[in-house]
Amino acid sequence: DIQMTQSPSTLSASVGDRVTITCRASQSISRWLAWYQQKPGKAPKLLIYRASTLESGVPSRFSGSGSGTEFTLTISDLQPDDFATYYCQQYDTYSRRTFGQGTKVEIK
Amino acid sequence: EVQLLESGGGLVQPGGSLRLSCAASGFDFSTYAMSWVRQSPGKGLEWVSSLSGRDNSASYADSVKGRFTISRDNSKSTLYLHMSNLRAEDTAVYYCAKEPLGRWIFDYWGQGTLVTVSS
Repeated sequence: DIQMTQSPSTLSASVGDRVTITCRASQSISRWLAWYQQKPGKAPKLLIYRASTLESGVPSRFSGSGSGTEFTLTISDLQPDDFATYYCQQYDTYSRRTFGQGTKVEIK
Repeated sequence: EVQLLESGGGLVQPGGSLRLSCAASGFDFSTYAMSWVRQSPGKGLEWVSSLSGRDNSASYADSVKGRFTISRDNSKSTLYLHMSNLRAEDTAVYYCAKEPLGRWIFDYWGQGTLVTVSS
């Protein structure tokens, strides 16, 4: 299976900061990458797919980039509602979809 | 509004069986592939199984292949996951998730149902 590695595991930031989360794939996945946001006790929420396409209704302060094996999720102007855990997910192969281990964005 | 409501979770002994259900509403259920994704306590997400909308083509993670069976009743807009020979490592919150057409991602999720495998 393709392994997805996120960094950092935890990120401390303040409201208004620009934060970047990295996701690395163990082999090339082209641009078949999605990002999700999860808050405690809640289901994940789709933010971005195809590496950089924003899901409908997601604020434009979220952006994604990358291809091949390295991807980034950037949140510009961090808002109080953005403190959560973020997961990347590769979908290069239908029956071998895998997630990263998560990055928790916490208040500094 | 898309809604997914899971049920059927609970405490089960190792080696036991359980059936999860996911009642869907707000979209044409029969058109879309549906999946189960699980999350062990305090851990990350793991895709478990998917089932296509119309041709009943199923896929499973290696960790559950041969023990779990995914199915759907399009007339009831309901997705199922039959789990057998359960192990402690199957303990998790199980989410039902909808896949958008042509994309192998999850655009809507249920609230999850907790399965605990313990003696």
